[in-house]
Amino acid sequence: AQSVTQLGSHVSVSEGALVLLRCNYSSSVPPYLFWYVQYPNQGLQLLLKYTTGATLVKGINGFEAEFKKSETSFHLTKPSAHMSDAAEYFCAVSLKTSYDKVIFGPGTSLSVIP
Amino acid sequence: DGGITQSPKYLFRKEGQNVTLSCEQNLNHDAMYWYRQDPGQGLRLIYYSQIVNDFQKGDIAEGYSVSREKKESFPLTVTSAQKNPTAFYLCASSGFFGVGETQYFGPGTRLLVL
Repeated sequence: AQSVTQLGSHVSVSEGALVLLRCNYSSSVPPYLFWYVQYPNQGLQLLLKYTTGATLVKGINGFEAEFKKSETSFHLTKPSAHMSDAAEYFCAVSLKTSYDKVIFGPGTSLSVIP
Repeated sequence: DGGITQSPKYLFRKEGQNVTLSCEQNLNHDAMYWYRQDPGQGLRLIYYSQIVNDFQKGDIAEGYSVSREKKESFPLTVTSAQKNPTAFYLCASSGFFGVGETQYFGPGTRLLVL
């Protein structure tokens, strides 16, 4: 069955440090991949999206992610964390099964330490 | 500004009561979705609608009902048959229903049981 895993339900980084949030998926066909961010008591906002083409995708707020087919991964990175990056981050895959559906990972809560 | 609105922000349900959550979009999107979010879990799909006057069950439709009489509106009713309704409910829309389409989310409604 198709699934999305996010290693680490909670990640803490110091302000200015590298942010690395991990996402792995299982799929027998190439999926479309997304990262969303959710601030407390708000909806989800798209950070970036991979469809086809260049495997390194740049998104908003300085985030980027790289699609690695051989590793079935789509990890999210940001070179320097800012206090405003503290939020919940969700990886998602879009693929065709019995119907076109989006599968969301369980989320990773990012804390930024001053 | 184009976007998705959800109301109310907080909703309280008494035992045996049906309650309706509102979702309106002015993005001229064909597809709309309802998700349920529980702490520490990803989003789970309740219902989706590809077009006006059409809707389909998602992964956890039991105890919920929807209608899609207008393109811009997709209300969700939580019925008394839903025994554990306490959750954060998110409405989303996309240009059309298909693999790779970006979903845009509303701010959510938090449902609590009295």
